[in-house]
Amino acid sequence: DAGVTQTPRHEVAEKGQTIILKCEPVSGHNDLFWYRQTKIQGLELLSYFRSKSLMEDGGAFKDRFKAEMLNSSFSTLKIQPTEPKDSAVYLCASSFGPDAETLYFGSGTRLTVL
Amino acid sequence: SQLAEENSWALSVHEGESVTVNCSYKTSITALQWYRQKSGKGPAQLILIRSNEREKRNGRLRATLDTSSQSSSLSITATRCEDTAVYFCATDLDTNAYKVIFGKGTHLHVLP
Repeated sequence: DAGVTQTPRHEVAEKGQTIILKCEPVSGHNDLFWYRQTKIQGLELLSYFRSKSLMEDGGAFKDRFKAEMLNSSFSTLKIQPTEPKDSAVYLCASSFGPDAETLYFGSGTRLTVL
Repeated sequence: SQLAEENSWALSVHEGESVTVNCSYKTSITALQWYRQKSGKGPAQLILIRSNEREKRNGRLRATLDTSSQSSSLSITATRCEDTAVYFCATDLDTNAYKVIFGKGTHLHVLP
């Protein structure tokens, strides 16, 4: 079975640009998560979907970050407008759910905002 | 503040030695998970231990869970250079089991 696929692997953006990161979860998984990873803050949960419904909208991240799940096999994370502090690795993960179950992660997208 | 925290930022051991990574957490949980992340990859789960379990093993790995002290440990025996990675503990909030929160990780270096 294919794992979680994230594209692109690397993204460079100018401050103020809009970028869209993509994720394809493991087939058959019901839960999808977006995390941001930095050295200082570690892994921070941005968004969480269960069966395509948004369960967690990111709290402090919600103003410029928007995650969508267009169908059960594809999700996007839009950052608009980007700021240099958004430079990080963005990780997508999926799981069968519903309770604490194994999260399967993609390899991430490394975003650099200049 | 972190809901889950590993107790060491970095550890170094020599190949063949054993090492233990500790984790403390702040809420009641349904399960605690240990993940390992190698450079350039996403985290991969090593062990999931549920709140009614006290110990779980996976090959050279052994995880313990003490709900009374809200702590967990991950022990690796006979370490290998390829065990070099960042190790995370992750917990869910008992009231929101879907929300898996990660600690900041322990960097383990296994030296030849």
